[in-house]
Amino acid sequence: NAGVMQNPRHLVRRRGQEARLRCSPMKGHSHVYWYRQLPEEGLKFMVYLQKENIIDESGMPKERFSAEFPKEGPSILRIQQVVRGDSAAYFCASSPPTGPGTEAFFGQGTRLTVV
Amino acid sequence: AQSVSQHNHHVILSEAASLELGCNYSYGGTVNLFWYVQYPGQHLQLLLKYFSGDPLVKGIKGFEAEFIKSKFSFNLRKPSVQWSDTAEYFCAVKGLSSGGYNKLIFGAGTRLAVHP
Repeated sequence: NAGVMQNPRHLVRRRGQEARLRCSPMKGHSHVYWYRQLPEEGLKFMVYLQKENIIDESGMPKERFSAEFPKEGPSILRIQQVVRGDSAAYFCASSPPTGPGTEAFFGQGTRLTVV
Repeated sequence: AQSVSQHNHHVILSEAASLELGCNYSYGGTVNLFWYVQYPGQHLQLLLKYFSGDPLVKGIKGFEAEFIKSKFSFNLRKPSVQWSDTAEYFCAVKGLSSGGYNKLIFGAGTRLAVHP
């Protein structure tokens, strides 16, 4: 059973371009989280998704950021018109259908650099 | 809304010293609590978790944590640290609401450096 797969591992974008980050959850996992990690700031929650449904997007910036988790295929975090401040590590985690004690498993992350 | 507070951002210890990292959460209902570790350049891995039963939980690599409901705390401990414990440690909480379990929220993390 492969772990959570994120790609690309490193992504460089120029200001104004679009960034697409992909996350394939572990087999059997129907829930996906996206977090952003900045130095000295820990993990900031962005969005919590179930297949074809956004459960909680309270951590997502209102503009330029969107996320989806389609019925088939990976979850995608999309950042339009990137700016320097978007440079960070973006981590995806997946979990089974939520219940007591269910834990989230993390991917290796995508390091986005905006130049 | 649920939140997590980790008191120490940086901790420096010598090998064999004892470790205690503080974690307090804010949520009035049932919670699941977690400690994750992130070794340099790697992804987060679960150290231990609490969701019911014995409030003293034991995890991997000799770590343990105690859930004290009255204090809303879930402190991480290890009696004797090793150089290989150098990493960043994150406390996380997931609360239970009428709609099911909420999102998993993390604290700011504690960077532990262990010197030989």
